[in-house]
Amino acid sequence: NAGVTQTPKFQVLKTGQSMTLQCAQDMNHNSMYWYRQDPGMGLRLIYYSASEGTTDKGEVPNGYNVSRLNKREFSLRLESAAPSQTSVYFCASSALAGVPDTQYFGPGTRLTVL
Amino acid sequence: EDKVVQSPLSLVVHEGDTVTLNCSYEVTNFRSLLWYKQEKKAPTFLFMLTSSGIEKKSGRLSSILDKKELFSILNITATQTGDSAIYLCAVERQGAQKLVFGQGTRLTINP
Repeated sequence: NAGVTQTPKFQVLKTGQSMTLQCAQDMNHNSMYWYRQDPGMGLRLIYYSASEGTTDKGEVPNGYNVSRLNKREFSLRLESAAPSQTSVYFCASSALAGVPDTQYFGPGTRLTVL
Repeated sequence: EDKVVQSPLSLVVHEGDTVTLNCSYEVTNFRSLLWYKQEKKAPTFLFMLTSSGIEKKSGRLSSILDKKELFSILNITATQTGDSAIYLCAVERQGAQKLVFGQGTRLTINP
């Protein structure tokens, strides 16, 4: 039972390069989320998708774009990476929109931008 | 703006001690508060609290919510080295479909 999977696990980019982080869940969940985690900052929401076909900005959306490709997959794109985007990125999903529900997290992607 | 503040930010204790982690929040139209444990990788779910005064328990861990004073505590009794982790608190607002996380408490249990 895979749950939430993320690729890649690690990535090093140069300033200005672009890349896409992939996330997939096999739990038939409706909602998906992208967070970044920096030391001493907890988890900050970048973008989320409450249901297939919708996406919304979170707390820190600048410099990122997302695509909810289908119900299973939610990708995060950095068009022109900056050193300030060095972080650990987590994808999460939850089953139900509109009712209290826990989120299940992927293993994370550690991104370094030089 | 919704806000979640955890304290302490860091705590070091000896195995066998009891610890209390704090989470205070300011959120409009509160719906739920969640606790997560994060070891090396992804956060894993511990508790969800929606009603005031009702304690949730799982083994040596317990948590309670006070909706009047806007805080929650997470208690861990008879701590073990495997309890070493970052503990994250998050709140959800009615209709928001997203969580706001606190900074986390880094707990270290020394043998």
